[in-house]
Amino acid sequence: GAGVSQSPSNKVTEKGKDVELRCDPISGHTALYWYRQSLGQGLEFLIYFQGNSAPDKSGLPSDRFSAERTGGSVSTLTIQRTQQEDSAVYLCASSLFARDDEQFFGPGTRLTVL
Amino acid sequence: GNSVTQMEGPVTLSEEAFLTINCTYTATGYPSLFWYVQYPGEGLQLLLKATKADDKGSNKGFEATYRKETTSFHLEKGSVQVSDSAVYFCALSAKYSGGGADGLTFGKGTHLIIQP
Repeated sequence: GAGVSQSPSNKVTEKGKDVELRCDPISGHTALYWYRQSLGQGLEFLIYFQGNSAPDKSGLPSDRFSAERTGGSVSTLTIQRTQQEDSAVYLCASSLFARDDEQFFGPGTRLTVL
Repeated sequence: GNSVTQMEGPVTLSEEAFLTINCTYTATGYPSLFWYVQYPGEGLQLLLKATKADDKGSNKGFEATYRKETTSFHLEKGSVQVSDSAVYFCALSAKYSGGGADGLTFGKGTHLIIQP
């Protein structure tokens, strides 16, 4: 595709349920990033992949959050046992190489936990 | 740790007014600096960037100069248009300058409203 795509665009779930958020980066981009945008915290960096490897997972908010990337392409962010404070817009970005300055952002997934 | 501080707004200006959005940063090493823009209903887009001290980034009439002595990267435009209404984010990347972070560190965003 022409840009970074994310699905679903909106997700409403009940507290305690698990959710999976998907990101398709720009074809050929080796680096992929997840961010969270919320009213109280602004834009927070969560995790970064170079290829299929995430060198540092310390940015994930809790052990309920996990992420994986397969085939150097699609990435999934999973939130287990969702809580209301997980409600936010989850943004994915990609760049051609990890050293590149410019990250291209997707439209985001708006997650609402009731 | 790294941080970015910017005025949050909303900032309301009339068309053709001069715009300044202040941004200051704290970082280890020598970060790269960015301004991203989020138009209503759209995703974040890179507006401009500067990778070393005294560099000036420019795009679409917007400019920002990397000032290491004041740790600032203020965004300016000489004559704003209604179409510039958006949220503007200042950000830094310290990944390859010894700062240790892998992702971008963002300010909280400035909501700019331009009235005709």
